[in-house]
Amino acid sequence: GAGVSQTPSNKVTEKGKYVELRCDPISGHTALYWYRQSLGQGPEFLIYFQGTGAADDSGLPNDRFFAVRPEGSVSTLKIQRTERGDSAVYLCASSLTTGGWDEQFFGPGTRLTVL
Amino acid sequence: QKEVEQNSGPLSVPEGAIASLNCTYSDRGSQSFFWYRQYSGKSPELIMFIYSNGDKEDGRFTAQLNKASQYVSLLIRDSQPSDSATYLCAGTHGNNRLAFGKGNQVVVIP
Repeated sequence: GAGVSQTPSNKVTEKGKYVELRCDPISGHTALYWYRQSLGQGPEFLIYFQGTGAADDSGLPNDRFFAVRPEGSVSTLKIQRTERGDSAVYLCASSLTTGGWDEQFFGPGTRLTVL
Repeated sequence: QKEVEQNSGPLSVPEGAIASLNCTYSDRGSQSFFWYRQYSGKSPELIMFIYSNGDKEDGRFTAQLNKASQYVSLLIRDSQPSDSATYLCAGTHGNNRLAFGKGNQVVVIP
């Protein structure tokens, strides 16, 4: 079956611009996670959704970052006034539930470059 | 201090040998631990998870968890060139969000 998909695969933008990154989770998965991975580092948690609500947004670095999941499926990560330090691969993952043993399946990521 | 630490540098092993990877964690409340494999330019894929003290074996992979020492390890037996990748250790904290280490690169030399 289809895995987690993310669009675009690559995004190049200029400092100060607004960007939206989209994640389409595996059908039926109620939990959706956003992570950010910088070069040479492991993924860093940003936010997770259980259904439509953001259950934990403690990883969002500042108020320029915002994410939504209005219908409990597709999610959009929004970054305002982008900075060069926002350049990274943004990974989305989904799992069936939020049980501590549930495997998180990762999408291919969106590589964001802020010039 | 990061929640999950992987401090070893790149690991080179001959084909057929055992690769040994380690990580430590700081949060005693962490419940489950995962090893992900990540090929260059690709997303992480789960290869093992463990939540009980002791060993867990799956094919050529063995994960070990020691909660008293807050230590997790991964052994890869009979290493193959296709095992060359970065291995990420992660622990769950409460709501299943994953805290990752920075990863260890493994290079299997034919």
